[in-house]
Amino acid sequence: DAGITQSPRHKVTETGTPVTLRCHQTENHRYMYWYRQDPGHGLRLIHYSYGVKDTDKGEVSDGYSVSRSKTEDFLLTLESATSSQTSVYFCAISDPGDRGFNEQYFGPGTRLTVT
Amino acid sequence: GESVGLHLPTLSVQEGDNSIINCAYSNSASDYFIWYKQESGKGPQFIIDIRSNMDKRQGQRVTVLLNKTVKHLSLQIAATQPGDSAVYFCAEILYNQGGKLIFGQGTELSVKP
Repeated sequence: DAGITQSPRHKVTETGTPVTLRCHQTENHRYMYWYRQDPGHGLRLIHYSYGVKDTDKGEVSDGYSVSRSKTEDFLLTLESATSSQTSVYFCAISDPGDRGFNEQYFGPGTRLTVT
Repeated sequence: GESVGLHLPTLSVQEGDNSIINCAYSNSASDYFIWYKQESGKGPQFIIDIRSNMDKRQGQRVTVLLNKTVKHLSLQIAATQPGDSAVYFCAEILYNQGGKLIFGQGTELSVKP
């Protein structure tokens, strides 16, 4: 398995509280992604990063922010969690210099429940 | 717009039979189409990709077919095994958006022993 870890793996939080999810990689890949997975929607991109301090929005970015201060870490923050953000969150990495973007490696996921 | 979808949500096959998982797409500008496998409790795992100018690509026990005329993609798994039981997603990749993947909703493959 590619060296990707996510923390925490499970979290239950209350509506209105801030939450930060962490993705850590040991592959030195340039690109990192945050997806969410919901029944009936498959996986949808929230934000991605193409380098340290370089990030861009995905298709479902409202209510989320990200930061990447080091190559190996990509943080996803929910400033004020809502029940609609209950989901499974996956981090992924890729490097255009390897197989190109095509082979993205995914982490094990974080199950977030907002009550 | 951009969308990738799947024809069937579930597929049940007997061990040893061949499996065919289908996918329809709408974005004709995609450069590559990709199949991912997701086992329960895990993240998706890359299986195989196909460039948009190809009709067929074979891997180990898997074959992907692309029909651009009808915007249809399929994944064929030969001699399906219990370990193939998983959800399979087709996806298209957008190189001009940082390698963003647009996923379909998935087909759950169940292999009966």
